[in-house]
Amino acid sequence: AQKITQTQPGMFVQEKEAVTLDCTYDTSDPSYGLFWYKQPSSGEMIFLIYQGSYDQQNATEGRYSLNFQKARKSANLVISASQLGDSAMYFCAMRELILTGNQFYFGTGTSLTVIP
Amino acid sequence: ETGVTQSPTHLIKTRGQQVTLRCSSQSGHNTVSWYQQALGQGPQFIFQYYREEENGRGNFPPRFSGLQFPNYSSELNVNALELDDSALYLCASSLRPNTEAFFGQGTRLTVV
Repeated sequence: AQKITQTQPGMFVQEKEAVTLDCTYDTSDPSYGLFWYKQPSSGEMIFLIYQGSYDQQNATEGRYSLNFQKARKSANLVISASQLGDSAMYFCAMRELILTGNQFYFGTGTSLTVIP
Repeated sequence: ETGVTQSPTHLIKTRGQQVTLRCSSQSGHNTVSWYQQALGQGPQFIFQYYREEENGRGNFPPRFSGLQFPNYSSELNVNALELDDSALYLCASSLRPNTEAFFGQGTRLTVV
């Protein structure tokens, strides 16, 4: 079974609008972390936001927020007030802290295009 | 600025050759992980080095090997290159094996 599933290969959003990128995960580890990374065409993976499995509140970092629904095993990324520079690939990733603590599992990514 | 640097940025090799990719970890980070990202895919875990020892390995054959040096920089070696080894190779460093990782810009390897 896939550890991380991203079902949106491509998304478009109007500049200044908000957009939600979907991510579901699968793990039996009670302790895990969920991450979102942005990958521009240059290739570097840029860390955006982190949510721990025991965190009670949804994580926020500036214009990024993570909509964490533990029972549904979803960790959607919300980008508010989209900017042209947000156009990139976005990857959801998970790290299991007990079972396989030393590796990230990545989804297949969502390509976001911000339209002027 | 993540502080993780990889070299070279681009590389073209012939099938059957060997290649060495290099990674300098962020200052203070003793853990380095390597990932392979094929075109249109998410990164796949190759292995991790922690304090100069291999600390976990993904589903990659033994011709993928690595090293970590006392300064915590790392090398990824791939022998007997195959066409399917063409990918972006990402290095990530972290403070400890199971904490947030910072990625380099990657090395784009093309095998012809």
